[in-house]
Amino acid sequence: KQEVTQIPAALSVPEGENLVLNCSFTDSAIYNLQWFRQDPGKGLTSLLLIQSSQREQTSGRLNASLDKSSGRSTLYIAASQPGDSATYLCAVLGTYKYIFGTGTRLKVLA
Amino acid sequence: DVKVTQSSRYLVKRTGEKVFLECVQDMDHENMFWYRQDPGLGLRLIYFSYDVKMKEKGDIPEGYSVSREKKERFSLILESASTNQTSMYLCASTQSGTTSSYNEQFFGPGTRLTVL
Repeated sequence: KQEVTQIPAALSVPEGENLVLNCSFTDSAIYNLQWFRQDPGKGLTSLLLIQSSQREQTSGRLNASLDKSSGRSTLYIAASQPGDSATYLCAVLGTYKYIFGTGTRLKVLA
Repeated sequence: DVKVTQSSRYLVKRTGEKVFLECVQDMDHENMFWYRQDPGLGLRLIYFSYDVKMKEKGDIPEGYSVSREKKERFSLILESASTNQTSMYLCASTQSGTTSSYNEQFFGPGTRLTVL
């Protein structure tokens, strides 16, 4: 059974710092991995999708990598800003359905 | 831009009431999903649908049913609401195929349901 883990559960950093969020999964037979952002009380906003054949994807200050063989993905945020404060979730697509991690709650201090 | 909308942002119902949560997507997506999100438990799949009139149980279908009469609309029904169904309910959609690596999930804004 696929399990997705995100460590740390919470992170607090000063503005301007580069940071890495981690996502690990137990079954490497995935079709894709998606990173989301969730603001309090809101839905999930898609940030990046990495297909199983890809190693990384970039969007602006965000870069996500995927290493299927080791069951790991990282989300790199460059030059963090207070507006980046949110919960970040990863999800992997296995057979028929997505499995989500429980998220990393990020706070960027001004 | 894909848009997924949900009928209510906040809903308060009484125990035993029948509750309808509606979700509509405007990008002709084939697959639609209902999740609930609870602190410490993350997102859990209730039901999903990969075509009109088709539905599949997710991980926690007990106490819920769904309806998909039109491609763009997926409804979640709580037949007799109970306090343990107080939660955030999230709807999502993806384009086509259940195992395509291109499938990107798009979520609605969520419905915060409180059952008293």
